[in-house]
Amino acid sequence: GAGVSQSPSNKVTEKGKDVELRCDPISGHTALYWYRQRLGQGLEFLIYFQGNSAPDKSGLPSDRFSAERTGESVSTLTIQRTQQEDSAVYLCASHRDRGTDTQYFGPGTRLTVL
Amino acid sequence: KQEVTQIPAALSVPEGENLVLNCSFTDSAIYNLQWFRQDPGKGLTSLLLIQSSQREQTSGRLNASLDKSSGRSTLYIAASQPGDSATYLCAVRGWGKLQFGAGTQVVVTP
Repeated sequence: GAGVSQSPSNKVTEKGKDVELRCDPISGHTALYWYRQRLGQGLEFLIYFQGNSAPDKSGLPSDRFSAERTGESVSTLTIQRTQQEDSAVYLCASHRDRGTDTQYFGPGTRLTVL
Repeated sequence: KQEVTQIPAALSVPEGENLVLNCSFTDSAIYNLQWFRQDPGKGLTSLLLIQSSQREQTSGRLNASLDKSSGRSTLYIAASQPGDSATYLCAVRGWGKLQFGAGTQVVVTP
């Protein structure tokens, strides 16, 4: 079946603009994660959705960042008033509703803020 | 707070040598540990998943061990090939989210 997909694959924006990134998880996967990876660095957890439970937003770096997910489908990550330090690859991952499952990653969205 | 460390940060070996990549974590209360491969400009590909009750997992030339009590995992890649060149990340799954190490960048020279 299809894997995790993300769009756009690349986004270039000007400082101060808002951007919206999209993630389509694997069908049937109730858990969805967003991560950020800055150039040459490891993955930084942003937010975690599990079914209809309240999301774990503990990784969001500021109130300019927000994410939504409708049920067990697509998720959008919104960054308002983008700053140059927001430039990174934003990765989405999903897995089934079991603590023992493999996480599957999308190809990422490369965001460049000029 | 879980801390995940990978040593070395970078590794270069000639083709045919075995690779040994280390991952350590500070909190042994984990559900599982996962090894990923990341190629430049691409997302992550899962290589092996070890449940907290397991000691090792094998897939082809890859073998990963887990010693939960000492907070360590090792990824072995036998008879390395130039196509194994990538960054290898380990991640531990605690309550909810994965915590990643910074990765080991591997270069296998022909």
